[in-house]
Amino acid sequence: GIQVEQSPPDLILQEGANSTLRCNFSDSVNNLQWFHQNPWGQLINLFYIPSGTKQNGRLSATTVATERYSLLYISSSQTTDSGVYFCACVGGTYKYIFGTGTRLKVLA
Amino acid sequence: GAGVSQSPRYKVAKRGQDVALRCDPISGHVSLFWYQQALGQGPEFLTYFQNEAQLDKSGLPSDRFFAERPEGSVSTLKIQRTQQEDSAVYLCASSLGGGGRYNEQFFGPGTRLTVL
Repeated sequence: GIQVEQSPPDLILQEGANSTLRCNFSDSVNNLQWFHQNPWGQLINLFYIPSGTKQNGRLSATTVATERYSLLYISSSQTTDSGVYFCACVGGTYKYIFGTGTRLKVLA
Repeated sequence: GAGVSQSPRYKVAKRGQDVALRCDPISGHVSLFWYQQALGQGPEFLTYFQNEAQLDKSGLPSDRFFAERPEGSVSTLKIQRTQQEDSAVYLCASSLGGGGRYNEQFFGPGTRLTVL
């Protein structure tokens, strides 16, 4: 099955800093989503992005399907951005495979 | 509109007890998924329903785990004779289904199960 790797595993930022999170996947994907898991455990949808580039406020994402990676950009980070960021991919029809996540802590 | 809801949010069970976890998907969503998330890990797929049909149960860890969605809306994940290794957060997700953008999954808040 498809393998999903995320980097870095942990990231500590000062408030206001920018960051880039990476997701590599081992095979072609039909679906790809980025999620933010907040400290209460809720998975929040950030982007549905099997290819191309999207932006939503301070967040943007790019997936280069032919090179099998996706990037999540966080600009002007805030303490509320803290949590775990997951990339999840579907190689077949519906079964999402999650990466191990990037644990982000933003310091005030 | 309302998102995916799950109940209970927390469940403590003694080893050997049976538990039932409920998921209410987003209204009109055809596809429903259950995932298990161990501490410090990403969610792992358990099972998938399309309407009332369970199309994939390949991720269920043992025959003590059973899921149903009899009327194609609410789903229940049942764990019989719970064991300590069943302790985890159980997440439910739903999607419209139908391919492409309609396969975007939306997650509930999860049920944290602790088996003593």
